[in-house]
Amino acid sequence: QVQLVESGGGLVKPGGSLRLSCTASEFTFSDYYMNWIRQAPGKGLEWVAYISSSSTYTNQADSVKGRFTISRDNAKNSLYLEMNSLRAEDTAVYYCARGLTGTTPDGFDIWGQGTMVTVSS
Amino acid sequence: QSALTQPPSVSGSPGQSVTISCTGTTTDVGIYNRVSWYQQPPGTAPKLMIYEVSNRPSGVPDRFSGSKSGNTASLTISGLQAEDEADYYCSSYTSSSTLVFGGGTKLTVL
Repeated sequence: QVQLVESGGGLVKPGGSLRLSCTASEFTFSDYYMNWIRQAPGKGLEWVAYISSSSTYTNQADSVKGRFTISRDNAKNSLYLEMNSLRAEDTAVYYCARGLTGTTPDGFDIWGQGTMVTVSS
Repeated sequence: QSALTQPPSVSGSPGQSVTISCTGTTTDVGIYNRVSWYQQPPGTAPKLMIYEVSNRPSGVPDRFSGSKSGNTASLTISGLQAEDEADYYCSSYTSSSTLVFGGGTKLTVL
């Protein structure tokens, strides 16, 4: 069925780096905007970044700008989040999510199960 | 970009209706009809319930409805059921071409 599967989470020290991946299946990945959204333990949802279907447009939340980079490889049906200069406050479950319409990033209709990132010494 | 404002909690008895508000500004909710609502039961990924203010994806019961007036969007759940107990989040597109969520509302079915 239509699904997204994240991977790459783990424990990293402050100042370290991590690369998250999200693999899509059973839909035409190259037709859709994709997003990363995170949720700190016991907290609410926070949008992190989006990328358009052909990688023309990207945008990030101010909280990660200059540290996180979103990218995609449509040939591999994969979405990535390169995270550098990690801080304790980046500790969260990271979800990838599809934009509903294909022409806008919002209306997250398909979500992965999430991957946990813990930043701690 | 500041988070949209939602009440921390709401509650209702089975069969009743509840409404969750989501207040933004003239740079997000007020100028775009791109407000979405998500349901998140404990320990699970969020689920899209409403998009573009008032549209329901296939499979979402018509007990769930959305509306907007000025800078405030609302999610109304009628005929409350025990399975509706969850956290609910709104989100909106913004004039900075970013996206923003509300802080979330915990719905308790009494």
